[in-house]
Amino acid sequence: EDQVTQSPEALRLQEGESSSLNCSYTVSGLRGLFWYRQDPGKGPEFLFTLYSAGEEKEKERLKATLTKKESFLHITAPKPEDSATYLCAVQARSGNTPLVFGKGTRLSVIA
Amino acid sequence: NAGVTQTPKFRILKIGQSMTLQCAQDMNHNYMYWYRQDPGMGLKLIYYSVGAGITDKGEVPNGYNVSRSTTEDFPLRLELAAPSQTSVYFCASSYGYRGKNTEAFFGQGTRLTVV
Repeated sequence: EDQVTQSPEALRLQEGESSSLNCSYTVSGLRGLFWYRQDPGKGPEFLFTLYSAGEEKEKERLKATLTKKESFLHITAPKPEDSATYLCAVQARSGNTPLVFGKGTRLSVIA
Repeated sequence: NAGVTQTPKFRILKIGQSMTLQCAQDMNHNYMYWYRQDPGMGLKLIYYSVGAGITDKGEVPNGYNVSRSTTEDFPLRLELAAPSQTSVYFCASSYGYRGKNTEAFFGQGTRLTVV
């Protein structure tokens, strides 16, 4: 069974304090790993897709990396507007499999 | 270009009532999904569809039904609502080709309370 575990569940940072969020996955062959941002009361918003180990993608203060077992979302010098829940999801290689999501990491950035 | 549109945004149901959550997308995506999200939990897949006329169960399908008669629409039907179905429901769509999907686009959600 495909599984996604995110840690920590919640993270509180001071503005400018860099950190990383973890997404560990167990999947029968990875087709893609997706990172989303979700603000309260809204639907998830797409950030990145990673397809193979060693791949990295960046967007503003966010950088996503991928290994064979896990992905990291690095947040450099965060600002209060980066506060949100960050969700990780995987798609397995077999068949027409939909995305399997982790429970998310709730990030709070304090000014 | 509206993306994924869900209606209604909020709804209160009494136990035993039925309702249909509507979802429409205008991106010509072949894949569509219904997820539910409970407080502090991730998204759990209820049903999904890989194209018109094709649907499949996800992780938590009991108490729900879907149909996909067109590419654009993917309604979710709740029969005999129960308090356990109180949740926020998200519809999403993506483009899939030969098993590889683009990112999924989500609607704004329907907040359902069953009392």
